[in-house]
Amino acid sequence: GAVVSQHPSWVICKSGTSVKIECRSLDFQATTMFWYRQFPKQSLMLMATSNEGSKATYEQGVEKDKFLINHASLTLSTLTVTSAHPEDSSFYICSARTPGGWGQPQHFGDGTRLSIL
Amino acid sequence: SQQGEEDPQALSIQEGENATMNCSYKTSINNLQWYRQNSGRGLVHLILIRSNEREKHSGRLRVTLDTSKKSSSLLITASRAADTASYFCATVLTGGGNKLTFGTGTQLKVEL
Repeated sequence: GAVVSQHPSWVICKSGTSVKIECRSLDFQATTMFWYRQFPKQSLMLMATSNEGSKATYEQGVEKDKFLINHASLTLSTLTVTSAHPEDSSFYICSARTPGGWGQPQHFGDGTRLSIL
Repeated sequence: SQQGEEDPQALSIQEGENATMNCSYKTSINNLQWYRQNSGRGLVHLILIRSNEREKHSGRLRVTLDTSKKSSSLLITASRAADTASYFCATVLTGGGNKLTFGTGTQLKVEL
């Protein structure tokens, strides 16, 4: 159980394109999902917390107009990288926490590798 | 600065040996979690230890937590080539909601 599906797994596109990444919890409802960014051989940096039915909470330094997050249902959150540029190239990973209060682990998608040419 | 620092950054051992990774953090935590990441993939949750616990076991994994030293260790016993991956500790800070703050990670290579 507790499967998180992320799509697409790999995107290559031209500079200036907007790219949408989907994160779905397949067998549980997730009121909260998280979006991370990871550079090669580095750790995960939290970008934002996605809350179902309300605005996302962004971490300091993350441009909310650049990285649009929508959490329209209990099983789907989307991250849209608007007008992407080469510096946005990275590995983006989403996660969702299973219900149950404090101390529940997060379950991660397999990530999306974004390459902007 | 980042909450968790791990050492070593990289570890190479032979199959059958034990692997120990350490994680240090800076502020009060609610719980600490260990995750594994295979190259180019997402993270897999391994084990969670709460701030009032000192040790936990799961199969070949043993995690310890010393809140007085703000440190944790992950021991993998009888390692296998399939254990080759990056391992991250992550903390949930006291009063920090459900956010995870990740450590720098340890790259483990288990050779045949």
